[in-house]
Amino acid sequence: QKEVEQNSGPLSVPEGAIASLNCTYSDRGSQSFFWYRQYSGKSPELIMFIYSNGDKEDGRFTAQLNKASQYVSLLIRDSQPSDSATYLCAVHFSNTGKLIFGQGTTLQVKP
Amino acid sequence: DVKVTQSSRYLVKRTGEKVFLECVQDMDHENMFWYRQDPGLGLRLIYFSYDVKMKEKGDIPEGYSVSREKKERFSLILESASTNQTSMYLCASSPFRPGGEQYFGPGTRLTVT
Repeated sequence: QKEVEQNSGPLSVPEGAIASLNCTYSDRGSQSFFWYRQYSGKSPELIMFIYSNGDKEDGRFTAQLNKASQYVSLLIRDSQPSDSATYLCAVHFSNTGKLIFGQGTTLQVKP
Repeated sequence: DVKVTQSSRYLVKRTGEKVFLECVQDMDHENMFWYRQDPGLGLRLIYFSYDVKMKEKGDIPEGYSVSREKKERFSLILESASTNQTSMYLCASSPFRPGGEQYFGPGTRLTVT
């Protein structure tokens, strides 16, 4: 099992729809979870972080964390073509102290 | 806003050359990191540093070394560049707390011919 797993996609959604991106992780002791957005040819940009179970909302973005099931998700409401990018999930592994990145999910928002 | 800068956006070097990649952050962060990113392999940690003059090997340190003489600056050195080191190199910094978020620089796309 990979330490942090994401479906590579591409995930294609129409403009205005909700995009749902999922991530699972292997370390039960993990406490910190991050979502990064990466446009083609650019570096990752931090968009959300979440530490507690439940939902955290920031504008059109909602991060959801379920530690018991070891998954974290990112919802993007009212998706826009400018949201088309690769989304990286990152999990801080308590046993190694390292931030482990998933391979990323490519999102395509079609006008 | 956190700002992490890298010395070059694009770099072309020849096999066997010594290559220096510089990274500077302006947020007084204790932690700094070097990654490389390759299609299909994701982000891989090369080296990191939690303090000045301190360095730790990441997952793929072979063929690389680092230097951190000042808190704000973290340099990655390719001692003798090889074609398999052609990649996107990303520097990141993070404040000193367990599990803190990392902020990335714009990246350097290095091509070794």
